[in-house]
Amino acid sequence: DAKTTQPPSMDCAEGRAANLPCNHSTISGNEYVYWYRQIHSQGPQYIIHGLKNNETNEMASLIITEDRKSSTLILPHATLRDTAVYYCIVRVMIYNQGGKLIFGQGTELSVKP
Amino acid sequence: ETGVTQTPRHLVMGMTNKKSLKCEQHLGHNAMYWYKQSAKKPLELMFVYNFKEQTENNSVPSRFSPECPNSSHLFLHLHTLQPEDSALYLCASSRTGGRNTEAFFGQGTRLTVV
Repeated sequence: DAKTTQPPSMDCAEGRAANLPCNHSTISGNEYVYWYRQIHSQGPQYIIHGLKNNETNEMASLIITEDRKSSTLILPHATLRDTAVYYCIVRVMIYNQGGKLIFGQGTELSVKP
Repeated sequence: ETGVTQTPRHLVMGMTNKKSLKCEQHLGHNAMYWYKQSAKKPLELMFVYNFKEQTENNSVPSRFSPECPNSSHLFLHLHTLQPEDSALYLCASSRTGGRNTEAFFGQGTRLTVV
């Protein structure tokens, strides 16, 4: 699985959009981009994933560049409860081998009042 | 609530004890995983099971022994652990095919070895 690079920490003001970048310059054509977050001492929570098109759900939007070498997770209106470590992960979908994820260090997002 | 339940939530054990961690899911998933998260470190994948068969063991010491009796249950048997094995142990499950194979995690077991 391709490696990812994320800033170790970011701050965001409550109510503003949080834009979390991720570089995955060695991504291959069949690798998906996944985002998870982990609130202190809890299990990671799935946020969103995509292959090459931009994706949106009730939690966030995922913007993937045309060359797929980087992506941005957008939390449109950050709240204090969005304070967490955010992980960007790229992985191949292998039939019958499920959702194995390799985690990096992630970005620690602090949402401030 | 993710649908993946881990018990116990907290466990303190001595180095000579034997204990087991349990994970249960009723999401219809066929893949299950054990992860370890030590303080201030990323999650480390330990074991992967697909359709009850172990498909991955990431060089985990034999004092950790997984068991997957069916697709809904996963155990991690612990014996003669060391203090450095103290960590948060997380279980996850996922589908094995189709579009949505994202993994869902339990809340973890916080293990302290004394």
